[in-house]
This record gives sequence, C-alpha cells and structure tokens, in this order.
Amino acid sequence: AQKVTQAQTEISVVEKEDVTLDCVYETRDTTYYLFWYKQPPSGELVFLIRRNSFDEQNEISGRYSWNFQKSTSSFNFTITASQVVDSAVYFCALSGQGAQKLVFGQGTRLTINP
Amino acid sequence: ETGVTQTPRHLVMGMTNKKSLKCEQHLGHNAMYWYKQSAKKPLELMFVYNFKEQTENNSVPSRFSPECPNSSHLFLHLHTLQPEDSALYLCASSPTGSSYNSPLHFGNGTRLTVT
Repeated sequence: AQKVTQAQTEISVVEKEDVTLDCVYETRDTTYYLFWYKQPPSGELVFLIRRNSFDEQNEISGRYSWNFQKSTSSFNFTITASQVVDSAVYFCALSGQGAQKLVFGQGTRLTINP
Repeated sequence: ETGVTQTPRHLVMGMTNKKSLKCEQHLGHNAMYWYKQSAKKPLELMFVYNFKEQTENNSVPSRFSPECPNSSHLFLHLHTLQPEDSALYLCASSPTGSSYNSPLHFGNGTRLTVT
C-alpha cells in the first residue's frame, strides 16, 4: 500500500523566515515518483516538482529547495526567505510503478504573515 | 487560455436536484480525472478516463455519474446528493492515464454545496 504523511497540518511564519514542510512516504515499489503541489486560494493545484526514486540529488529552484532522503523515506520542501505570496496549501504526493495511482498527503496549510 | 477549465466555479444544489459539472482541457492530454477534496481529508480520486474509456472507479456512489465524450471533455453528473457530498471537486488531466510519472494538471475546481 502507498501512503503519504504530512504531519504538519498548519504552519504560520513571518515573512522572510525560512520554512520547511515535511513529507514522509510509504511504498513497496522500488520505482516510484514523488511530487509537490501548491494550492493557492484560487483552488487549482499547481505542480511544483517531480522526483524519481533513483535520483536522490537535492534540487533548488529559486527560493524553493527539496531534500529527498530514501533512508528516511522523506521528501521535504523548504522555502527560503518566505513571502506572503507563498501562502497556500502544499501537498506531497506519491505514485508507484505498481499501483499506478497518485496518492496525496493531507496537505500543509502555510500562512506567511507580513 | 488556461490548460484545464472547470465550470461552474460554485454550485449550490438541493438534495433532489440534478446538476452537472463540466471540465475541459486544452493541453492535448488523453487522460482526465475527477478528484474530491473535503475539509480535513486527503484528495480522493473518484474516476479516471484514459482515451475516453473509464479505467478507474474508486468505489464512488452511483449518485455521481461521469461522462467522457472525448479526450478534451469530462462531465460529472450529480443527482440526489447528500450534504456530506459538499466539497471542492477538482478535474485534472495528464498525457496518459497509464503513466505514473506524469504530473497532473488541475483546474480551479467547482465548490459544491448540497443543502
């Protein structure tokens, strides 16, 4: 079975602070993909990043960075120097070769206060 | 033009009404999905269509009836709903439904309230 756990339900920080969103996953597949999506107040989920299970190299995109560690089954997301526009619900998701189905975590509501 | 468009954005319906949600994608994708997002629940996959054929029905009650006339359009027909069906219904698309590594492209969703 596949499962994604985002233990942080809500996070609130002041603008310019760094913030890390945690994601822990479970799967029996050896080949799988991990995703992060952002859901702003407008409703649509916006794709942020995809990482496959064979690529543990961390990735940085502007103020966003992702830390993938297979040893701890984690795929954490860090926003550096947060901005008010980063306020949204963030979802971590997993899709394995076996299940062929995208499973989402519960989401973390991030609020950046000015 | 946005990639995935859903209408209406908001819908209020009584338990005896019949209504339909519409989704249209302009990305040339062949797979389309319906998801349900309730408060404090993970996103729940409802239906998957791949090349117009339904490939997934995630034990959805029959009061929800999907229709996919072509690869660009997806409908969700609603009848005799319950108040607990109130949620945000999201449509998504991907190049194909058989590829587990493709990101999904989502619409803005329809906020449904059942009174």
